[in-house]
Amino acid sequence: EAGVVQSPRYKIIEKKQPVAFWCNPISGHNTLYWYLQNLGQGPELLIRYENEEAVDDSQLPKDRFSAERLKGVDSTLKIQPAELGDSAVYLCASSLGYTGDTQYFGPGTRLTVL
Amino acid sequence: QQPVQSPQAVILREGEDAVINCSSSKALYSVHWYRQKHGEAPVFLMILLKGGEQKGHEKISASFNEKKQQSSLYLTASQLSYSGTYFCGTRLGGTDKLIFGTGTRLQVFP
Repeated sequence: EAGVVQSPRYKIIEKKQPVAFWCNPISGHNTLYWYLQNLGQGPELLIRYENEEAVDDSQLPKDRFSAERLKGVDSTLKIQPAELGDSAVYLCASSLGYTGDTQYFGPGTRLTVL
Repeated sequence: QQPVQSPQAVILREGEDAVINCSSSKALYSVHWYRQKHGEAPVFLMILLKGGEQKGHEKISASFNEKKQQSSLYLTASQLSYSGTYFCGTRLGGTDKLIFGTGTRLQVFP
């Protein structure tokens, strides 16, 4: 069974540029998560989708971040414009059910903003 | 609400044992343990549910102390492959969100 797929794996951009990350969850998983992970820290939830509905986006900085999960499968996370402080690893995870199920993580996208 | 992990770092020789703790100031419903190697995805190890039994996974096991709101991860007879950063993710009763601790970095040397 294929795991969570993310692309790109690495991205280097200059500040004020836009950037987008893509995630394809494990087949059949209803819930998709986007996390931010700073160096030496644990993952922090940005947004959680149940099917195509964003059910928790309270930690998403909506002035510059946006996300979508069309058709309830793959998802895109966008930052526009990027700031120096956005440099981090962006992890995508998915789980089969809706509450408390095991989350399976993708390898992440390492973003560097210069 | 972020759980506190201790110790922050552990250095072991192969074959030695280690214990990693994860503590919360609030009542926990479940604790999820992950291991992450540098540059890789966090890998799920096990879930402990409130009222559940101690879990085991090869030579790695964990317990959940409801009175102390604490979970402990036990690594016995450590192997080189155990090296990485261990994270606990805690879910509070009545919530759906996992909140991860700051991690414990484990290094196993030959």
